[in-house]
Amino acid sequence: AQTVTQSQPEMSVQEAETVTLSCTYDTSENNYYLFWYKQPPSRQMILVIRQEAYKQQNATENRFSVNFQKAAKSFSLKISDSQLGDTAMYFCALGGATNKLIFGTGTLLAVQP
Amino acid sequence: GAGVSQSPRYKVTKRGQDVALRCDPISGHVSLYWYRQALGQGPEFLTYFNYEAQQDKSGLPNDRFSAERPEGSISTLTIQRTEQRDSAMYRCASSPSTGTLSGANVLTFGAGSRLTVL
Repeated sequence: AQTVTQSQPEMSVQEAETVTLSCTYDTSENNYYLFWYKQPPSRQMILVIRQEAYKQQNATENRFSVNFQKAAKSFSLKISDSQLGDTAMYFCALGGATNKLIFGTGTLLAVQP
Repeated sequence: GAGVSQSPRYKVTKRGQDVALRCDPISGHVSLYWYRQALGQGPEFLTYFNYEAQQDKSGLPNDRFSAERPEGSISTLTIQRTEQRDSAMYRCASSPSTGTLSGANVLTFGAGSRLTVL
C-alpha cells in the first residue's frame, strides 16, 4: 500500500525567511511521482511543484524547491523568501501508475509579518 | 472551459435526501477524478474516469455513492440517502491524457463542492 506522512501539523515562519516542510512516503512502485499542493484560505488546490522519481535532480520552481531523498523516501519542500501569500495548508502527494494520488494530512504554514 | 468547474459550490441537505454534484472538466481533458476532503484532512480518492469509462471506483465508500461520465466530458457524483458523515468537500480534477502524471499531464483541481448534511 502507498502511504504519505506529514509529521508537522503546523509551522510558522517570518516573512522573507526560509522554511522547510517535511514529507515521507512509502510505495512499492519503481516509477512514481511526488507533488506538493497548496491550499490557501480560498480552499483551492494549487500545484506547487512536482518531482518524477526517476529524475535525480531536485525540482525547483522559483522560490520553491524540493529535497528528494529516494533511498530515505523523503520529499521535503523548501520555501525561500517566504511571503504572506504563502500562508496556506500544504499537502504532499504520491502518484504512481494508476494516477490515483495519495495525500498526506497536510501542514498548515503561517507566514508572519 | 478555462478551468475545472464544479456545481453547486455549496449544498446543504437533510439526512436521507439524494444529492448530485457536477463536474465540468477542462475542455479536452480525457481523465477525470473525484476526491473527498474532510475538514482538516487531505483529499481522499473516490473514483476516476478515462473518457466515459470508469477505471477505478475502489475509493467509493459504499453503494450509496456512484459516479458517471456518459459522454466523456461532464461527470456527476451522486450520493443517495445522505448521512451526516457524508459532509465534506467534494473535489473534481482533470488531466489532459491517460498517461502518468508527468510532463504536460498535470492534474488540475476544481474549487470543490462543499456538502453539509443536517
